[in-house]
Amino acid sequence: ETGVTQTPRHLVMGMTNKKSLKCEQHLGHNAMYWYKQSAKKPLELMFVYNFKEQTENNSVPSRFSPECPNSSHLFLHLHTLQPEDSALYLCASSQSGALTDTQYFGPGTRLTVL
Amino acid sequence: AQSVTQLGSHVSVSEGALVLLRCNYSSSVPPYLFWYVQYPNQGLQLLLKYTSAATLVKGINGFEAEFKKSETSFHLTKPSAHMSDAAEYFCAVSDNTNAGKSTFGDGTTLTVKP
Repeated sequence: ETGVTQTPRHLVMGMTNKKSLKCEQHLGHNAMYWYKQSAKKPLELMFVYNFKEQTENNSVPSRFSPECPNSSHLFLHLHTLQPEDSALYLCASSQSGALTDTQYFGPGTRLTVL
Repeated sequence: AQSVTQLGSHVSVSEGALVLLRCNYSSSVPPYLFWYVQYPNQGLQLLLKYTSAATLVKGINGFEAEFKKSETSFHLTKPSAHMSDAAEYFCAVSDNTNAGKSTFGDGTTLTVKP
């Protein structure tokens, strides 16, 4: 595998379910990101991890819980979601989180909350 | 605070015609600017970026953009559109006033007519 991979690609869950999204990067990068992409809205940054430490939480509700066990893996744990949380969740990585870094994106997980 | 505005949520051109996608930014300090492309069912991919070197930046797939400080613009152009250019395009800005976070525009959907 190369680049940034995300699993699952599609997920349908009820509001009482607990699920997790997984992201893995094979680029040797040290920064990883979660974004939410909703229809008709700009891309929203959710979390940033740099060298496994969370450096940004963009006022995300606690029903979204990130985990970064190492620089190659990033998870987003989901529980008690709302229908308005339905969106495409994109993971990205970059070399070091620097301002000029290019971010490399995964294909996303299309989440539907019923 | 940094921000970016993409003028025109939808742009349609004929194959072989000039592509012009507009992006204006707001930043109180020198910005770094990016153009990303998103093809259907995929994540974002970097086309090009401006990092305070040459103001005319050449990217992949024949795209280029020019940083114009006096106009606070970073418009994306391609001399001759190809059918495969049909996608959504995002302009993004980052600067050191926002802890390294990138702010994305709303996106412009490019349609290429045969």
